[in-house]
Amino acid sequence: EAGVAQSPRYKIIEKRQSVAFWCNPISGHATLYWYQQILGQGPKLLIQFQNNGVVDDSQLPKDRFSAERLKGVDSTLKIQPAKLEDSAVYLCASSQLQGLRSSYEQYFGPGTRLTVT
Amino acid sequence: GNSVTQMEGPVTLSEEAFLTINCTYTATGYPSLFWYVQYPGEGLQLLLKATKADDKGSNKGFEATYRKETTSFHLEKGSVQVSDSAVYFCALSDRGGGSNYKLTFGKGTLLTVNP
Repeated sequence: EAGVAQSPRYKIIEKRQSVAFWCNPISGHATLYWYQQILGQGPKLLIQFQNNGVVDDSQLPKDRFSAERLKGVDSTLKIQPAKLEDSAVYLCASSQLQGLRSSYEQYFGPGTRLTVT
Repeated sequence: GNSVTQMEGPVTLSEEAFLTINCTYTATGYPSLFWYVQYPGEGLQLLLKATKADDKGSNKGFEATYRKETTSFHLEKGSVQVSDSAVYFCALSDRGGGSNYKLTFGKGTLLTVNP
């Protein structure tokens, strides 16, 4: 079974530029998550989708971050314009239908390491 | 709100030493508890989990017991190997007052095992 795919793996941009990350979840997984992992910290949830609807985006900085999951499969996360403090690893994860059981495992992709200079 | 506090690292051990990484949590409901591991350059992988009080999760020689009375989920391994070198994250899954479950992570503990 193929895992969660993410691209690119690394990205370096200057502040005020824009950037987009792509995620392809495990086939059949209804729930998709984007996390931000700043160096030395645990992942922080940015947004959660169930199929193509947003379940939780309470910690997404909506003035500069946006995400979509068209057709309930692939997802893109965009930052525009980027700030220095956005330097982090952006992780995508997917799971079976969430909201019903707390024990559903989340499967993580390798992440995209973003450096903003 | 929910939170996870885990032992500050880094932790450096010799091969075959005993490992304990402490983890305590605060949650509003009855969470499930997890340990995730992140090897260098890779994404997080689930190591083990426990879904209710007194459950013991185990995998690859690692164990953790869900202790509701002490709100703890400490990770242990009797004899570590060089290949166990990684960052370990404790996490909980709970509704936190909302309608959907979400993971809350600790800050992670870097483990280095020397031969």
